[in-house]
Amino acid sequence: DAGITQSPRHKVTETGTPVTLRCHQTENHRYMYWYRQDPGHGLRLIHYSYGVKDTDKGEVSDGYSVSRSKTEDFLLTLESATSSQTSVYFCAISGSGGVAGELFFGEGSRLTVL
Amino acid sequence: DAKTTQPPSMDCAEGRAANLPCNHSTISGNEYVYWYRQIHSQGPQYIIHGLKNNETNEMASLIITEDRKSSTLILPHATLRDTAVYYCIVSAANAGGTSYGKLTFGQGTILTVHP
Repeated sequence: DAGITQSPRHKVTETGTPVTLRCHQTENHRYMYWYRQDPGHGLRLIHYSYGVKDTDKGEVSDGYSVSRSKTEDFLLTLESATSSQTSVYFCAISGSGGVAGELFFGEGSRLTVL
Repeated sequence: DAKTTQPPSMDCAEGRAANLPCNHSTISGNEYVYWYRQIHSQGPQYIIHGLKNNETNEMASLIITEDRKSSTLILPHATLRDTAVYYCIVSAANAGGTSYGKLTFGQGTILTVHP
């Protein structure tokens, strides 16, 4: 299994509070992604990173920011959580030496915003 | 990325082959077909991918029609552990640069394998 760790795995928070989800990899892969999964919507890309300090928006980036200060960590921040951000968040990684579309996913972080 | 159409659900008997279809009639020449599956609430798992030719690995076979407008994922001997949501994705993720690895997941097909 790819070395991907997401933390926290479960979190309950209140509307308006900041939340940071962490994705840590031990594979030294260049590319990292944050997806969210909601019933009826499948997985949707929030943000991705193609290198240290290099990030870009996905299809549902509003309300989220990311940072990648080192290869192994990709942080997803909700500056002021809303109930619509209640979801399961998946981090994924891929390496430039392998299959371009072969992503390795973490176990997910379940976030509930009350 | 081109969009795909998959049946919402399928059933299969354990030990039989599961054939999961996918339509991607607007696929472009540089787009690959990828298949992933997601078991219960785990993270999605890569299965196989292809461009034009049929592909086979230890998990499955991928059959792509000559016009590339549709494909079929084949699980040759389905087991109960193959019960999952299967996603067919068409993407130019191989294009490199900032598009590398970007995949758009649809609703997928819920495959239920029965004893």
